[in-house]
Amino acid sequence: QSALTQPASVSGSPGQSITISCTGTSSDVGGYNYVSWYQQHPGKAPKLMIYDVSKRPSGVSNRFSGSKSGNTASLTISGLQAEDEADYYCSSYSTSSTWVFGGGTKLTVL
Amino acid sequence: EVQLVESGGGLVNPGGSLRLSCAASGFTFSSYSMNWVRQAPGKGLEWVSSISSSSSYIYYVDSVKGRFTISRDNAKNSLYLQMNSLRAEDTAVYYCARDLTMGDPSPAYWGQGTLVTVSS
Repeated sequence: QSALTQPASVSGSPGQSITISCTGTSSDVGGYNYVSWYQQHPGKAPKLMIYDVSKRPSGVSNRFSGSKSGNTASLTISGLQAEDEADYYCSSYSTSSTWVFGGGTKLTVL
Repeated sequence: EVQLVESGGGLVNPGGSLRLSCAASGFTFSSYSMNWVRQAPGKGLEWVSSISSSSSYIYYVDSVKGRFTISRDNAKNSLYLQMNSLRAEDTAVYYCARDLTMGDPSPAYWGQGTLVTVSS
């Protein structure tokens, strides 16, 4: 049940695109297509942005997209906006029917 | 609209116990698996436990096995987390979260959380 690996921080200017990586193992990210991404603003509950690797819940902007290759999943945000500044967490279903989260990535919009 | 409201958090001494509750509304509670996820102050998210719709399947993160017990009362649309032998490292905001759909286990809908502080 080790945490997934995410970069501690990323940054980008408005209008640019950024990508956040999430590296796990064959026991979690690489073994299942249940990879999710969450956005969390300070003092707020996490909000689901991507599920099942690349699907967007209703109401989430199409500027958010997800993908996976092997044991690494990625979240891409295009056309960065000021309101995208937040913490982002990946999560993956894992063996023994458990879930594991990444350590989180702080996105700064310059 | 899916609503999840946690309660029961507070200050407790190390070694003490606390019972968290999560009141659900806006959906058929008995049809969905539920989860508890926690977040220590200034830290990341950590999945704690999950329970299937009929309580047939229950899972825990290793660090709480033998100390925490998840349960649910479908008649009362409520989820619970009984926490015993609490440690300082259990200090966190505890969120309850509902699976996305009956066929997809992704934690999708979250409550606002309840703060548990373990300190003497």
